[in-house]
Amino acid sequence: GQNIDQPTEMTATEGAIVQINCTYQTSGFNGLFWYQQHAGEAPTFLSYNVLDGLEEKGRFSSFLSRSKGYSYLLLKELQMKDSASYLCAVRDSNYQLIWGAGTKLIIKP
Amino acid sequence: DAEITQSPRHKITETGRQVTLACHQTWNHNNMFWYRQDLGHGLRLIHYSYGVQDTNKGEVSDGYSVSRSNTEDLPLTLESAASSQTSVYFCASSERDPGELFFGEGSRLTVL
Repeated sequence: GQNIDQPTEMTATEGAIVQINCTYQTSGFNGLFWYQQHAGEAPTFLSYNVLDGLEEKGRFSSFLSRSKGYSYLLLKELQMKDSASYLCAVRDSNYQLIWGAGTKLIIKP
Repeated sequence: DAEITQSPRHKITETGRQVTLACHQTWNHNNMFWYRQDLGHGLRLIHYSYGVQDTNKGEVSDGYSVSRSNTEDLPLTLESAASSQTSVYFCASSERDPGELFFGEGSRLTVL
């Protein structure tokens, strides 16, 4: 079966750094995506990794290791507005997205 | 600005009734998708379309249908609503890459 695992919930402090992990087991791999979803709102695209390594985009970075079936999303200089759920999704061999259940990130002042 | 809109945003219905959720996008995207989101689960694909007259079943398609008569719209119909279909439904579209999705604001459906 196909499986995406993420921690259910994480707590971090404003101004700090947090790393949200995602491990996956899928039938094939054609890219990994991170989305942000604020409570009661739609998911919005954050990042895309298809090759191993780190992709940096402002305060957010995403890392991929295909051999380990592992990715993480790194958020720096945390702000209160970063309180949201972060969804990891993998595109499988059929080019369909398989979604994790999401990690709820709580930022404390 | 291009956008994707869903209606209704909230709907309460009774078991056995037919329900249609509308999705309209002005991005002129060929690819459109319907997902449901439930606590403890990732987004689950219901149906998708890669163009006019094209529709495909996703992993949780039982009890749902879609039709694509133009580029802008992909309505989702629940033929006979069941309590298990109480959920938040998201419509999404993409230009070419199926992974980078633009989501509508969601439709919260309650089936009593």
